[in-house]
This record gives sequence, C-alpha cells and structure tokens, in this order.
Amino acid sequence: DAKTTQPPSMDCAEGRAANLPCNHSTISGNEYVYWYRQIHSQGPQYIIHGLKNNETNEMASLIITEDRKSSTLILPHATLRDTAVYYCILSNFGNEKLTFGTGTRLTIIP
Amino acid sequence: NAGVTQTPKFRVLKTGQSMTLLCAQDMNHEYMYWYRQDPGMGLRLIHYSVGEGTTAKGEVPDGYNVSRLKKQNFLLGLESAAPSQTSVYFCASISRVGHADTQYFGPGTRLTVL
Repeated sequence: DAKTTQPPSMDCAEGRAANLPCNHSTISGNEYVYWYRQIHSQGPQYIIHGLKNNETNEMASLIITEDRKSSTLILPHATLRDTAVYYCILSNFGNEKLTFGTGTRLTIIP
Repeated sequence: NAGVTQTPKFRVLKTGQSMTLLCAQDMNHEYMYWYRQDPGMGLRLIHYSVGEGTTAKGEVPDGYNVSRLKKQNFLLGLESAAPSQTSVYFCASISRVGHADTQYFGPGTRLTVL
C-alpha cells in the first residue's frame, strides 16, 4: 500500500508559486516527510525535508499540517527548469529504505 | 568532488549475457543504494549497503547481485540478463547529518536487454 498520495500531474504558470500537495494520513510519529524531484531522465534531486515544523531552504518551502497527515511543497517563483516529477516520501531517520511512488508531474507553462 | 558517478552510461545486452554496473562516490558516505526505474514508474530499491563489506536485499533483488568491497564503490551485477531487466539503473549514496538522510543520485545507466 502506498504511504503517500499525490496528484499525478499539475500545471503552473511561469513566475507563479507552484503548490504541490501530498497526503500521508498514516504517517507515524518518527517519520520525516522528504521531497525529491526528477528532471527528465536525470537522477532524482533532494529538495527539502521536515518532521513537524515548516521548513524553508533556497529551493522551496515545506508546509506540514498540524496533524501531520498532509503537506505541501511550495516553489515560490516557478521557472521552466522546475518542470519535473516531484516525489513525496516518508522515512524514519535510520530507516535505510526510501520508497518512491509515481509522484506528481509538474509542468511549468510559459 | 565528483559526487556520485556511474559507469557505463548506456549498455545493450543480449539475453543471457552478464555485466557489472559500477557506482562510485567520493563523499565518504557509508550507505549506498541501487534502484531501477521502469518507464512511467517510480524508483524501486534493488539492493543496498550500510557499509564496506555489507549488502542487503531491497524490494526487487531477484536476478541481481551486489558487492561493496571498498567504501567508495558499489557494484551491481547481472549474471544472466533478461529482457525484464531493461531499465534505467540509479545509484545513490546517503549523507547523514544530524537527523537528516539526504540521498545523492548518480546520472543513471540505461540498460537494454534484447
């Protein structure tokens, strides 16, 4: 059974904020929420992760709901280079295995 | 600092042939993984290693073997290739800083088995 649920595809206009949702209603207390992305045919790239607090780095922001059952990845000013498949993944610290689902295909429209 | 590199980048095999894929990292990471990605699918874990001399099975280990003789290298072997092993293979190594596990991926090896 999938541990996270993401929409299969989304579009966003260039220059606007892209908001990618992820549902993880069965998340356990010690699981982190990670986001990776994969630009066409390349290896996946780490974006951001969080446990229960909102996080921000140079690439994106991560908003986690108070009950931790869902989260949103925000790309504040999307560019054409942000077109990629985005993966939301749950992982315990120390759990070596990450399970990649099918992700959300984000298309940035000029 | 090259990060994670994979060789070869492309390979075409005939059914029954064998080959070894090499993954190398220069970041002194203990953990290394091998994934496969089929068209339109997410990544699936084949085998992984938590340190030099150790290996363990992932989600789809059948038909593959691995070795981690040196910390910086993680080898994936196909003893008798089958068309079902046509895929893109990604290697990753993991940085553990504080409570963060960040995976750094190589560029991939595109394998076709005829």
